[in-house]
Parts: sequence; structure tokens; C-alpha cells
Amino acid sequence: QQPVQSPQAVILREGEDAVINCSSSKALYSVHWYRQKHGEAPVFLMILLKGGEQKGHEKISASFNEKKQQSSLYLTASQLSYSGTYFCGTRPLIQGAQKLVFGQGTRLTINP
Amino acid sequence: GAGVSQTPSNKVTEKGKYVELRCDPISGHTALYWYRQSLGQGPEFLIYFQGTGAADDSGLPNDRFFAVRPEGSVSTLKIQRTERGDSAVYLCASSPGSGGRTDTQYFGPGTRLTVL
Repeated sequence: QQPVQSPQAVILREGEDAVINCSSSKALYSVHWYRQKHGEAPVFLMILLKGGEQKGHEKISASFNEKKQQSSLYLTASQLSYSGTYFCGTRPLIQGAQKLVFGQGTRLTINP
Repeated sequence: GAGVSQTPSNKVTEKGKYVELRCDPISGHTALYWYRQSLGQGPEFLIYFQGTGAADDSGLPNDRFFAVRPEGSVSTLKIQRTERGDSAVYLCASSPGSGGRTDTQYFGPGTRLTVL
């Protein structure tokens, strides 16, 4: 079952912060975050593992709440280059499962 | 090193025709994945190879779709009797294939398939 991302779209001014959420109804092994610009490949940002950890990458960080099966991506002091569609990909907690199940995406627009 | 490459970048075909889409994974990656992405949607899993074998083909929509990876490197996705509903971007991804918790998938630029 596909994870649900919210919001579907967000428009910010450069320097503002954003939070993108990803919720699953299934127990998860890991959550993978990607950013995709129009006509390009999804680019890997980070992976969150079962265990409720939080990770950071420059001004982009994420957390994984194992109890709620929810991950949040935090973008602080957004830059123009952050524009794009953000996808969470979830790996279910099933023996041997390697595929990612992606959400429908969150379109982020950063204006100067 | 080079990333995942896919050819062709665009493919236009007529309904009922046969098409082949090629994926060259990152060198040394043993795992290879095919996804399909429709406009405004996230990638949808099709099939996963570990080495030469298809470890999970649960995402293939029907028997018109078939994929091979004969030497454990390059993979070809084959679609028979194409239908207009097959129009989408077909993405390939590869990962080191350790199967571990941090096994990360890296995507290619995709092949945009248009069925007229």
C-alpha cells in the first residue's frame, strides 16, 4: 500500500523552512527520501532506518517515528536549488523485501 | 564513476508494437530495479534482479511485460503488444545489493515511452 505524503504541494520564499511528511499503514524497515527535478532522475537524499533515528544532510534533515510509521523531511533556510518534487520510498518490514513503495510526491517551489 | 544509464531516452511507438528498453547499472552493483512513473505520480515498482535472476517480479502488470539480465549487468525491459496505457517514464535503479538496511537505490534518467 502506497505511503501518503503531505502536503501535496508547497510554495516558499527563499530562506523559509518546510516540512514534508510521509505516513505508512504498514510496518516499515526503512524510509528513503529522493528529490526529482522535472525531466530528471530521482536523486537520493537520505535513508532512515527502523529505530527512530534522525539524520541530516546540509540544511536538510529527516526523522523516522517507528511507532507512528511516519517520516518527516525538514528543509531549513531553503535555497532555490531545493525546488523539485520530493518522494519518500518505503521498504516494508517483510523478510527479503527490497523494493521501494513510493508516495505520490510533494512538489516544492522556492521563489526568490 | 558513471551513474545508471538508460537507452533510449525517448521512444515513440504505435499501439501493438514491441519495444525494448535498456538499462546499464552502476559498475559493481548486483541489484537492479525497474520502476514505472506516470505523470504526477511516484515511481511504481515493476521488477527486481539480484544478479541474473528476477528475485521479485510482483510489480509486472501482466504477461506483456518481461525483463532479463542475462549476465548480471545490463538489463532489458521488454513490452509486447504495447497499449496506450503503457505510456510512462520507465526508470531503472541499481544498488550495491548487499541486502542490508542501508542498501541505497540510485536511479537512471529514465526512458520516456509514448504509445500512439
